[in-house]
Amino acid sequence: GNSVTQMEGPVTLSEEAFLTINCTYTATGYPSLFWYVQYPGEGLQLLLKATKADDKGSNKGFEATYRKETTSFHLEKGSVQVSDSAVYFCALSLPGGADYKLSFGAGTTVTVRA
Amino acid sequence: SQTIHQWPATLVQPVGSPLSLECTVEGTSNPNLYWYRQAAGRGLQLLFYSVGIGQISSEVPQNLSASRPQDRQFILSSKKLLLSDSGFYLCAWSVQGTGVNGYTFGSGTRLTVV
Repeated sequence: GNSVTQMEGPVTLSEEAFLTINCTYTATGYPSLFWYVQYPGEGLQLLLKATKADDKGSNKGFEATYRKETTSFHLEKGSVQVSDSAVYFCALSLPGGADYKLSFGAGTTVTVRA
Repeated sequence: SQTIHQWPATLVQPVGSPLSLECTVEGTSNPNLYWYRQAAGRGLQLLFYSVGIGQISSEVPQNLSASRPQDRQFILSSKKLLLSDSGFYLCAWSVQGTGVNGYTFGSGTRLTVV
Protein backbone atom coordinates (compact mmCIF):
# COMPACT_ATOMS: atom_id res chain seq x y z
CA GLY A 1 0.00 0.00 0.00
CA ASN A 2 0.90 3.67 0.03
CA SER A 3 2.80 4.99 3.02
CA VAL A 4 4.99 7.84 4.21
CA THR A 5 7.86 7.56 6.68
CA GLN A 6 9.05 10.68 8.41
CA MET A 7 12.04 11.45 10.56
CA GLU A 8 11.25 10.91 14.21
CA GLY A 9 11.15 13.95 16.41
CA PRO A 10 11.20 16.02 18.39
CA VAL A 11 13.78 18.27 16.79
CA THR A 12 15.17 21.22 18.73
CA LEU A 13 17.22 23.89 17.00
CA SER A 14 18.66 27.31 17.65
CA GLU A 15 17.54 30.29 15.61
CA GLU A 16 19.31 30.60 12.24
CA ALA A 17 20.22 26.90 12.21
CA PHE A 18 19.69 24.67 9.18
CA LEU A 19 16.66 22.38 9.31
CA THR A 20 16.17 19.10 7.48
CA ILE A 21 13.24 16.75 8.00
CA ASN A 22 13.54 13.49 6.10
CA CYS A 23 10.56 11.97 4.33
CA THR A 24 10.47 8.83 2.22
CA TYR A 25 7.48 7.22 0.60
CA THR A 26 6.17 3.97 -0.81
CA ALA A 27 3.55 4.17 -3.52
CA THR A 28 2.14 2.17 -6.38
CA GLY A 29 1.93 4.70 -9.13
CA TYR A 30 3.02 8.29 -9.47
CA PRO A 31 2.11 10.28 -6.38
CA SER A 32 1.87 13.96 -5.62
CA LEU A 33 3.83 14.93 -2.51
CA PHE A 34 3.05 17.52 0.14
CA TRP A 35 4.37 19.11 3.29
CA TYR A 36 1.84 20.42 5.80
CA VAL A 37 2.57 22.55 8.86
CA GLN A 38 0.54 22.71 12.08
CA TYR A 39 1.20 25.62 14.41
CA PRO A 40 0.23 25.16 18.07
CA GLY A 41 -3.52 24.90 18.55
CA GLU A 42 -4.31 25.25 14.86
CA GLY A 43 -5.33 23.11 11.92
CA LEU A 44 -2.95 21.99 9.18
CA GLN A 45 -1.83 24.34 6.45
CA LEU A 46 -0.34 23.34 3.14
CA LEU A 47 3.29 24.45 3.16
CA LEU A 48 4.43 23.25 -0.25
CA LYS A 49 3.87 20.54 -2.80
CA ALA A 50 5.37 18.82 -5.85
CA THR A 51 3.48 16.83 -8.44
CA LYS A 52 6.20 15.24 -10.58
CA ALA A 53 9.76 14.03 -10.36
CA ASP A 54 12.45 16.70 -9.91
CA ASP A 55 9.86 19.36 -9.08
CA LYS A 56 10.91 21.64 -6.24
CA GLY A 57 8.20 23.01 -3.98
CA SER A 58 9.03 26.14 -2.00
CA ASN A 59 7.31 28.50 0.41
CA LYS A 60 8.31 30.72 3.36
CA GLY A 61 11.98 29.79 2.89
CA PHE A 62 11.24 26.04 2.98
CA GLU A 63 12.09 23.79 0.06
CA ALA A 64 11.59 20.15 -0.88
CA THR A 65 12.53 18.32 -4.07
CA TYR A 66 10.62 15.32 -5.42
CA ARG A 67 13.24 12.59 -5.86
CA LYS A 68 11.77 9.61 -7.63
CA GLU A 69 15.03 7.64 -7.67
CA THR A 70 15.29 7.74 -3.88
CA THR A 71 11.50 8.00 -3.24
CA SER A 72 12.13 11.00 -1.02
CA PHE A 73 10.78 14.48 -0.37
CA HIS A 74 12.98 15.97 2.34
CA LEU A 75 12.05 19.35 3.79
CA GLU A 76 14.80 21.95 4.26
CA LYS A 77 15.18 25.50 5.48
CA GLY A 78 18.46 27.31 5.58
CA SER A 79 17.85 29.58 8.57
CA VAL A 80 14.99 28.83 10.94
CA GLN A 81 13.17 31.31 13.14
CA VAL A 82 11.30 30.89 16.41
CA SER A 83 8.07 31.27 14.43
CA ASP A 84 8.89 28.04 12.54
CA SER A 85 8.20 26.03 15.69
CA ALA A 86 5.43 23.67 14.65
CA VAL A 87 4.59 20.08 13.70
CA TYR A 88 5.44 19.19 10.10
CA PHE A 89 3.66 16.42 8.20
CA CYS A 90 4.75 14.81 4.96
CA ALA A 91 1.96 13.37 2.81
CA LEU A 92 1.30 11.75 -0.54
CA SER A 93 -1.69 11.23 -2.78
CA LEU A 94 -2.32 9.13 -5.83
CA PRO A 95 -4.66 10.94 -8.21
CA GLY A 96 -7.48 9.27 -10.02
CA GLY A 97 -10.91 8.30 -8.91
CA ALA A 98 -13.42 10.21 -6.86
CA ASP A 99 -12.19 9.30 -3.44
CA TYR A 100 -8.48 9.76 -3.35
CA LYS A 101 -6.99 10.00 0.11
CA LEU A 102 -3.84 11.55 1.48
CA SER A 103 -1.44 9.27 3.32
CA PHE A 104 0.26 11.22 6.12
CA GLY A 105 3.48 10.62 7.95
CA ALA A 106 3.49 10.60 11.74
CA GLY A 107 4.58 14.24 11.99
CA THR A 108 7.79 15.81 13.25
CA THR A 109 7.71 18.35 16.06
CA VAL A 110 10.20 21.17 15.58
CA THR A 111 11.09 23.62 18.33
CA VAL A 112 13.29 26.62 17.54
CA ARG A 113 14.93 28.41 20.48
CA ALA A 114 15.97 32.04 20.43
CA SER B 1 -12.58 31.62 -2.93
CA GLN B 2 -13.19 28.47 -0.98
CA THR B 3 -13.42 28.44 2.79
CA ILE B 4 -14.00 25.76 5.38
CA HIS B 5 -15.67 26.39 8.72
CA GLN B 6 -15.53 24.11 11.70
CA TRP B 7 -17.19 24.59 15.08
CA PRO B 8 -17.08 24.73 17.95
CA ALA B 9 -13.41 25.51 18.48
CA THR B 10 -13.35 24.05 21.98
CA LEU B 11 -15.67 21.63 23.73
CA VAL B 12 -15.70 20.02 27.16
CA GLN B 13 -18.21 17.20 27.51
CA PRO B 14 -18.94 14.64 30.25
CA VAL B 15 -18.54 10.93 29.64
CA GLY B 16 -21.74 9.44 28.25
CA SER B 17 -23.00 12.68 26.71
CA PRO B 18 -23.74 13.06 22.98
CA LEU B 19 -21.53 14.88 20.50
CA SER B 20 -22.12 16.84 17.34
CA LEU B 21 -19.35 18.62 15.46
CA GLU B 22 -20.14 20.46 12.28
CA CYS B 23 -18.09 21.34 9.24
CA THR B 24 -19.19 23.35 6.21
CA VAL B 25 -17.41 24.31 3.02
CA GLU B 26 -18.15 27.38 0.93
CA GLY B 27 -17.20 28.33 -2.59
CA THR B 28 -17.09 24.88 -4.14
CA SER B 29 -19.47 22.07 -5.00
CA ASN B 30 -19.30 18.31 -4.67
CA PRO B 31 -16.15 18.26 -2.53
CA ASN B 32 -14.64 15.22 -0.88
CA LEU B 33 -14.96 15.68 2.88
CA TYR B 34 -12.89 14.14 5.67
CA TRP B 35 -12.83 13.87 9.46
CA TYR B 36 -9.50 13.31 11.19
CA ARG B 37 -8.60 12.94 14.85
CA GLN B 38 -5.30 13.87 16.39
CA ALA B 39 -4.68 12.52 19.88
CA ALA B 40 -2.29 14.45 22.11
CA GLY B 41 1.26 14.20 20.79
CA ARG B 42 0.29 11.82 18.02
CA GLY B 43 -0.29 11.82 14.28
CA LEU B 44 -3.44 12.09 12.22
CA GLN B 45 -6.01 9.33 12.17
CA LEU B 46 -8.55 9.34 9.33
CA LEU B 47 -11.97 8.60 10.80
CA PHE B 48 -14.42 9.11 7.95
CA TYR B 49 -14.55 10.39 4.42
CA SER B 50 -17.36 11.18 2.03
CA VAL B 51 -17.49 11.57 -1.74
CA GLY B 52 -21.13 12.68 -1.90
CA ILE B 53 -24.37 13.31 -0.02
CA GLY B 54 -25.25 10.34 2.15
CA GLN B 55 -22.04 8.48 1.20
CA ILE B 56 -19.84 7.81 4.22
CA SER B 57 -16.82 5.55 4.44
CA SER B 58 -15.47 4.59 7.85
CA GLU B 59 -11.77 3.97 8.22
CA VAL B 60 -11.59 2.79 11.80
CA PRO B 61 -14.28 1.25 14.04
CA GLN B 62 -15.16 3.97 16.49
CA ASN B 63 -17.63 5.20 19.03
CA LEU B 64 -18.34 7.83 16.40
CA SER B 65 -20.43 8.24 13.26
CA ALA B 66 -20.54 10.75 10.43
CA SER B 67 -23.25 12.11 8.19
CA ARG B 68 -23.41 14.30 5.13
CA PRO B 69 -26.93 15.69 4.90
CA GLN B 70 -26.00 18.36 2.36
CA ASP B 71 -23.35 18.65 -0.32
CA ARG B 72 -21.08 20.94 1.70
CA GLN B 73 -21.94 19.88 5.24
CA PHE B 74 -20.23 17.13 7.18
CA ILE B 75 -21.20 16.20 10.74
CA LEU B 76 -19.35 14.06 13.26
CA SER B 77 -21.50 12.55 16.01
CA SER B 78 -21.50 10.26 18.98
CA LYS B 79 -24.39 9.00 21.10
CA LYS B 80 -22.25 8.44 24.20
CA LEU B 81 -18.76 9.88 24.55
CA LEU B 82 -15.89 7.95 26.06
CA LEU B 83 -12.79 9.36 27.74
CA SER B 84 -10.77 8.00 24.82
CA ASP B 85 -12.71 10.25 22.42
CA SER B 86 -10.75 13.26 23.67
CA GLY B 87 -8.57 14.82 21.02
CA PHE B 88 -8.27 17.42 18.31
CA TYR B 89 -10.76 16.88 15.49
CA LEU B 90 -10.04 18.22 12.06
CA CYS B 91 -12.33 18.51 9.07
CA ALA B 92 -10.88 18.80 5.57
CA TRP B 93 -12.06 19.02 2.00
CA SER B 94 -10.57 18.31 -1.40
CA VAL B 95 -11.52 18.56 -5.04
CA GLN B 96 -12.82 15.31 -6.46
CA GLY B 97 -11.00 13.43 -9.14
CA THR B 98 -7.51 14.80 -8.67
CA GLY B 99 -4.77 14.40 -6.14
CA VAL B 100 -2.58 17.33 -7.07
CA ASN B 101 -4.03 19.94 -4.71
CA GLY B 102 -4.11 18.04 -1.44
CA TYR B 103 -6.53 18.91 1.31
CA THR B 104 -7.67 22.15 2.89
CA PHE B 105 -8.16 21.81 6.63
CA GLY B 106 -10.46 23.56 9.06
CA SER B 107 -9.13 25.13 12.22
CA GLY B 108 -10.08 22.16 14.37
CA THR B 109 -12.15 21.38 17.46
CA ARG B 110 -10.43 20.59 20.74
CA LEU B 111 -12.64 18.02 22.51
CA THR B 112 -12.04 17.12 26.14
CA VAL B 113 -14.17 14.38 27.63
CA VAL B 114 -14.28 14.53 31.43
